[in-house]
Amino acid sequence: AQSVTQLGSHVSVSEGALVLLRCNYSSSVPPYLFWYVQYPNQGLQLLLKYTSAATLVKGINGFEAEFKKSETSFHLTKPSAHMSDAAEYFCAVKRGTGNQFYFGTGTSLTVIP
Amino acid sequence: DAGVTQSPTHLIKTRGQHVTLRCSPISGHKSVSWYQQVLGQGPQFIFQYYEKEERGRGNFPDRFSARQFPNYSSELNVNALLLGDSALYLCASSLIGMGNTGELFFGEGSRLTVL
Repeated sequence: AQSVTQLGSHVSVSEGALVLLRCNYSSSVPPYLFWYVQYPNQGLQLLLKYTSAATLVKGINGFEAEFKKSETSFHLTKPSAHMSDAAEYFCAVKRGTGNQFYFGTGTSLTVIP
Repeated sequence: DAGVTQSPTHLIKTRGQHVTLRCSPISGHKSVSWYQQVLGQGPQFIFQYYEKEERGRGNFPDRFSARQFPNYSSELNVNALLLGDSALYLCASSLIGMGNTGELFFGEGSRLTVL
């Protein structure tokens, strides 16, 4: 079965500091991996996706993620946090034969001024 | 272009009642999926419809049902509501086909409160 695990339900960083949100996946085949962001009282917005074309994926708002097969990881990073980055972040894996997504439990990011 | 639209945005029901949630996908998207997001959790897959046929079903009881219409809009129905059905119900549409990763585009959700 394919699933994702997000380590750390809450992460706090200072404005301007590095953001690192962790995601590990379990899959028997190379997966499609995604990061979504959810602002309060809103739906989910795609940040970036890994589809095996490149291991380092750049997304919107300065975020990027690196696919590491040896570590089964797809961690999300941003060099410098901004106050507007405060939100809930979800890692997700897509089943290869269908279009069912499996989401992690989410990481709430707080940015401290 | 309009994104995924859902209605109603908020609703309150009592236990035992029935609810219908509606979703219009992005123009050109033929796949619609429904997810349940309980407070503090990630979205959980309920259904996927493609070309008006059910293509996937998550681990939800038969009280949950859905359908997709010829214009690709969709309804999610929940019967005999329980307190535990209180959640944000998210609709997502996607392109399915060769060369598409099938990424999901979400609406803002329908927040259901069951009293």
